[in-house]
Amino acid sequence: NAGVTQTPKFQVLKTGQSMTLQCAQDMNHEYMSWYRQDPGMGLRLIHYSVGAGITDQGEVPNGYNVSRSTTEDFPLRLLSAAPSQTSVYFCASRQTGAFGETQYFGPGTRLLVL
Amino acid sequence: GDSVTQMEGPVTLSEEAFLTINCTYTATGYPSLFWYVQYPGEGLQLLLKATKADDKGSNKGFEATYRKETTSFHLEKGSVQVSDSAVYFCALRGYGGSQGNLIFGKGTKLSVKP
Repeated sequence: NAGVTQTPKFQVLKTGQSMTLQCAQDMNHEYMSWYRQDPGMGLRLIHYSVGAGITDQGEVPNGYNVSRSTTEDFPLRLLSAAPSQTSVYFCASRQTGAFGETQYFGPGTRLLVL
Repeated sequence: GDSVTQMEGPVTLSEEAFLTINCTYTATGYPSLFWYVQYPGEGLQLLLKATKADDKGSNKGFEATYRKETTSFHLEKGSVQVSDSAVYFCALRGYGGSQGNLIFGKGTKLSVKP
């Protein structure tokens, strides 16, 4: 199992550019989510999905779009990047059901918006 | 809503010192509690967890006990090593406004000196 994979590892964007951060998992997990990590802020939930075709907003969804067409993939789209979106982005997945289920994280994507 | 508060760092210890990182939470009902660790340049990985009151989670010499009466889940290790240098995150999954998503504390950076 590769677990949770993310691409790219690093990206530099100019303000106003768009891009898609890719996330995939091979554990057949129904639940997937995106977090951003900023210094002193911990991890904040952007969007999440409980299955193919179902997505919902987290704590900080503005400026980001998601879709879930397959169980395996959960891309995060920045339609018009802003410097405030400079951050490290983590994708995660887990089984749904019991609240004790372990959540698995990808290695992260470091994004710099100039 | 659900929230997690953990002691602010950074924490600097000498090798073989005793470690405590405090974590308290606010949640409805009986959430599941987790400690995640993030080594430099990597994603988060589960360190230990507890799913009900008085449970003790343990892994790699680290321990934490789910204390319902004090709403706490403090992380402890009797003798830290240089390889334990990382950022530690306390987290919960509850039944309240977080809709079952993981809610993280802000993280505590630990540096262990030889």
